[in-house]
This record gives sequence, structure tokens and C-alpha cells, in this order.
Amino acid sequence: GAVVSQHPSRVICKSGTSVKIECRSLDFQATTMFWYRQFPKKSLMLMATSNEGSKATYEQGVEKDKFLINHASLTLSTLTVTSAHPEDSSFYICSASWRREGLNTQYFGPGTRLTVL
Amino acid sequence: AQKVTQAQTEISVVEKEDVTLDCVYETRDTTYYLFWYKQPPSGELVFLIRRNSFDEQNEISGRYSWNFQKSTSSFNFTITASQVVDSAVYFCALSGYYDKVIFGPGTSLSVIP
Repeated sequence: GAVVSQHPSRVICKSGTSVKIECRSLDFQATTMFWYRQFPKKSLMLMATSNEGSKATYEQGVEKDKFLINHASLTLSTLTVTSAHPEDSSFYICSASWRREGLNTQYFGPGTRLTVL
Repeated sequence: AQKVTQAQTEISVVEKEDVTLDCVYETRDTTYYLFWYKQPPSGELVFLIRRNSFDEQNEISGRYSWNFQKSTSSFNFTITASQVVDSAVYFCALSGYYDKVIFGPGTSLSVIP
């Protein structure tokens, strides 16, 4: 099956620093990529949808300036958590959508665990 | 608006028991997809199944089976003869034809040896 990677898998940073998380579709070109956030013992909450070459569409309540998304190519999307604070600590999961045979299929990355001290 | 409800927050069963995880969804789309994912403690989502709204056939895959009933907007998941390795959080999810995937709150399943 299709593979989506995320890097890093785990990151610890100091409060006030920015952290970049990469999401790559390894063997297909993704028409759309999605970013989710998951707090401990909670469900995945969609943060934003990004299409290559255009601005991301953010879900209600998600700060655009806080969570910068860049979709530079059909295989790479990045999420930058700017001026991170402890409350940004979470599990971030991306997914990449591949349109095949008229059907969009989403493949999820393994997730990135962010801890802000 | 789309919504997925999983009424069971946590379930504990003894190994070899059967267990059913409930899922109820809401959508105004006529074409939509339903999913089940497993999330073990490692955190990585494991895809289990996708059904489209036009296919109400029940599906069986080994010890797993799914019951899709449009009339009640439900897509329930049954594990037969549960095993300790089945312990995980299970998410039911919904998407439209082009849309993002909306996840339910999840059901944490513990299988006790």
C-alpha cells in the first residue's frame, strides 16, 4: 500500500521555539494533504487541509499564524508550530490523499509527538 | 454537518469473548465513506476497513466483521474471539467524496487475558 512518512517522529523543544514537522508521500503524488492533532486519550481533530501550491484551509478555531502549513510539492507538506508553548504539546498526524480510479484514498502518516517544555 | 458518535468510551472484555463497537454517523451527503481505524499504544493508525454509502453488504475479515445499516446510520464493528493484541483505541470515521475524514471520539478496548 501507499506510504506516508513524517519527520521527526518525536521532538522535544523549549517554550518559544518553532518546530517544523514534515509529511511526505513516498510513492505517490498527493492531491491533498491533511493535518490532524490528537491530545492524550482524545480523538483526532482536523486542523487544516492543504493543496499543493495554494494556501491551506484551516478549521475553525485553529490559529493560522500559529500553525503554518506549506505544501511545497505534491509529495511534501510541512507544519510549523511557531513560538511553541506547553499547551501545543500533542500528537500531530498528517494524511495524504491520492486520487486513483476516480476515488480519493487517504493514507495516514505515523505521527509526530511534540513535547514543549 | 458531519458527525460520528461512538457511545462506548471504554470496554473491557475477557480474552476469547466477542465484542461489538458501536458507531453512529450523521451526514447530509448522499455519497460518503465510512472507516474503522485501530490505534495501538504506539500511536500509528491502522486502517481496518472502508465502506461506501452504496454498499450495505456486511463484511467479514477473519475475526473482524462489520455491520453497515443505512436505516439507522450505524456502522458497527465486531471482534470475535478477542485477543490481547486487539487491545487498542478504535476509531470510526466518515468522509464525503472529496472531503476530509471526520473521526469519532474513539472506543478504548482492553482485552484481559
